[in-house]
Amino acid sequence: NAGVTQTPKFQVLKTGQSMTLQCAQDMNHEYMSWYRQDPGMGLRLIHYSVGAGITDQGEVPNGYNVSRSTTEDFPLRLLSAAPSQTSVYFCASITGENEKLFFGSGTQLSVL
Amino acid sequence: RKEVEQDPGPFNVPEGATVAFNCTYSNSASQSFFWYRQDCRKEPKLLMSVYSSGNEDGRFTAQLNRASQYISLLIRDSKLSDSATYLCVVKNAGGTSYGKLTFGQGTILTVHP
Repeated sequence: NAGVTQTPKFQVLKTGQSMTLQCAQDMNHEYMSWYRQDPGMGLRLIHYSVGAGITDQGEVPNGYNVSRSTTEDFPLRLLSAAPSQTSVYFCASITGENEKLFFGSGTQLSVL
Repeated sequence: RKEVEQDPGPFNVPEGATVAFNCTYSNSASQSFFWYRQDCRKEPKLLMSVYSSGNEDGRFTAQLNRASQYISLLIRDSKLSDSATYLCVVKNAGGTSYGKLTFGQGTILTVHP
């Protein structure tokens, strides 16, 4: 039981490049989400999904796309990277029973 | 005003000390409250949920004050291993069946010998 697996751990992009952050969970959680963490800002919700085929925007969705074709996978796509997207990104899933969030190990992204 | 606010610290305390953090929230309809712990360059992990009557887990005690809209975390007999960032999380109704989770910016704790 791996929990939430997030890749890559580190990534450097040039402005304008695109990339996909991968997230997979093996706990059969319906709810999955993406956060970014910036100094002094706390974790902010980018996008979330309450099940396969269902996604919605969070607090800071601009510049990001998501899809949820299966219960297990919830990739985050950066369409055209900007320096403002330099951040640490966390994928998380939640069990509805006790509302506990399970996080992936994070991706440190730098956009030059 | 931010939805969830924490004193960012840092709090520097000696081993064995008692330290307390507060977290204020702005939405009086908030439903659930949590404390997460985040070690440097790691993902956050649930430390404890906060119940209306207050709850304790070993050296950690969490309290909820709905009238004043804050939650607190008390750590007794601090250990070096308690050094971390402590995140306050508040759940509000709406959005999805799982509600909306809002994170505070975190309080940094450093315990020194």
